[in-house]
Amino acid sequence: TQLLEQSPQFLSIQEGENLTVYCNSSSVFSSLQWYRQEPGEGPVLLVTVVTGGEVKKLKRLTFQFGDARKDSSLHITAAQPGDTGLYLCAVMTTDSWGKLQFGAGTQVVVTP
Amino acid sequence: SQTIHQWPATLVQPVGSPLSLECTVEGTSNPNLYWYRQAAGRGLQLLFYSVGIGQISSEVPQNLSASRPQDRQFILSSKKLLLSDSGFYLCAWGQGNQETQYFGPGTRLLVL
Repeated sequence: TQLLEQSPQFLSIQEGENLTVYCNSSSVFSSLQWYRQEPGEGPVLLVTVVTGGEVKKLKRLTFQFGDARKDSSLHITAAQPGDTGLYLCAVMTTDSWGKLQFGAGTQVVVTP
Repeated sequence: SQTIHQWPATLVQPVGSPLSLECTVEGTSNPNLYWYRQAAGRGLQLLFYSVGIGQISSEVPQNLSASRPQDRQFILSSKKLLLSDSGFYLCAWGQGNQETQYFGPGTRLLVL
C-alpha cells in the first residue's frame, strides 16, 4: 500500500487559474517535503513543513501542513506555464538514514 | 557548492546486455547516496542506498546491483538487462539523517 496518496494524478489548467494538489496519509509525520520535477530532470526541493498547521509561502506557491500532520496541500495562485511539472510529496521513513518515501505525484500542465 | 553528476544521460541497450550507470558527487564528504527508479510521470522507487564506502542496502529484490567504490561515487549495475529494467534512474545524495535529498539529472534507460 502507498504510504502517501497524492491527488489528483493529473491536472491541466489555463495560465492564470489557481490549483490545489493534495498529499494524504493515515500516518503522522514529523515533517513533509514537496518537490517539483520538470521533464527529463531530477526533482528539486520546494519546501519542508514541520509543524502541524504550518503555512509556508514561496512566491505564488502556498504549502500547508495539516493540523494532525497527516496531510499537506500545495496551492498555486495564478499559475504560469513555468509551473508545469510533476509535484511530489515525500516523508522520511521511520528507519532513518535519511531515506525518503515519495507519493506517486501530481502531473500539472499549465497552458498559455 | 555541491553538485551531483550522472552519466550517461540516455542509454539504449538490448535485452541481456550488461549495464553500468555512474553517479558522482562533488563538494561534500561522506554523503548518503541513493538510487531511485521512476516510471514515466510517476513517483520514485528507492532501489539502493549507501551510508559509506562498500556499504550497500537494497530496498527491493531486482535484477540490479549497486556499488560504492569511493566516498562520492555510486554505481548501478546489471549483468543481464531485462525489458522491465527500462525507466528513468535518479541518483541522490543527502547528509546523515537529514531529510533533504539532492538529485542528479537522471539517466533514461531503454531496454529493447
